[in-house]
Amino acid sequence: DAGITQSPRHKVTETGTPVTLRCHQTENHRYMYWYRQDPGHGLRLIHYSYGVKDTDKGEVSDGYSVSRSKTEDFLLTLESATSSQTSVYFCAISESSGRTSGYTDTQYFGPGTRLTVL
Amino acid sequence: RKEVEQDPGPFNVPEGATVAFNCTYSNSASQSFFWYRQDCRKEPKLLMSVYSSGNEDGRFTAQLNRASQYISLLIRDSKLSDSATYLCVVNSPGGSYIPTFGRGTSLIVHP
Repeated sequence: DAGITQSPRHKVTETGTPVTLRCHQTENHRYMYWYRQDPGHGLRLIHYSYGVKDTDKGEVSDGYSVSRSKTEDFLLTLESATSSQTSVYFCAISESSGRTSGYTDTQYFGPGTRLTVL
Repeated sequence: RKEVEQDPGPFNVPEGATVAFNCTYSNSASQSFFWYRQDCRKEPKLLMSVYSSGNEDGRFTAQLNRASQYISLLIRDSKLSDSATYLCVVNSPGGSYIPTFGRGTSLIVHP
């Protein structure tokens, strides 16, 4: 299995509080992604990173920010958590993406973080 | 129209049956395709890539039909352990080439 960990694995928080989720990889892969998964919606991309300090928005980025100061760590921050952000959050990594070649490598996923916002 | 569409199912089949799922995509310029498997409350894991000529891995066969813009997954001799959600993934160019996931097809294999 690819070396990807997420922390925390479970979190319950209150509306209006900031929350930071961490994704850590030991594979030295360049690309990292944050997804959320909700019933009826499948996996939706929040943000992704194509290198240290290089990030871009996905389809559901409102209310989220990310940072990547080291290759191995990708942080997702909910600036002011809302109940609509209750979800399962998955981090993923890939060695390359179609950003330059049009072909995307396999993505490897972390175990997920279950976030409940009350 | 969603870029990648799958029948959510569930497909309910007996052990030993053959079952097939399709996944349609809207962007004719899409270049790479995958099937992932996701067990309940777990992370998605790669099942197989889909190559233009079709490919097989044991009981699993993946096909790509570019003319009709769909990929398929065939599972032969279904096992109880095949019960899971199968996610179709398409590389959808449009600036960022980030993979797009279908919502998944649920498969339940019963004794």
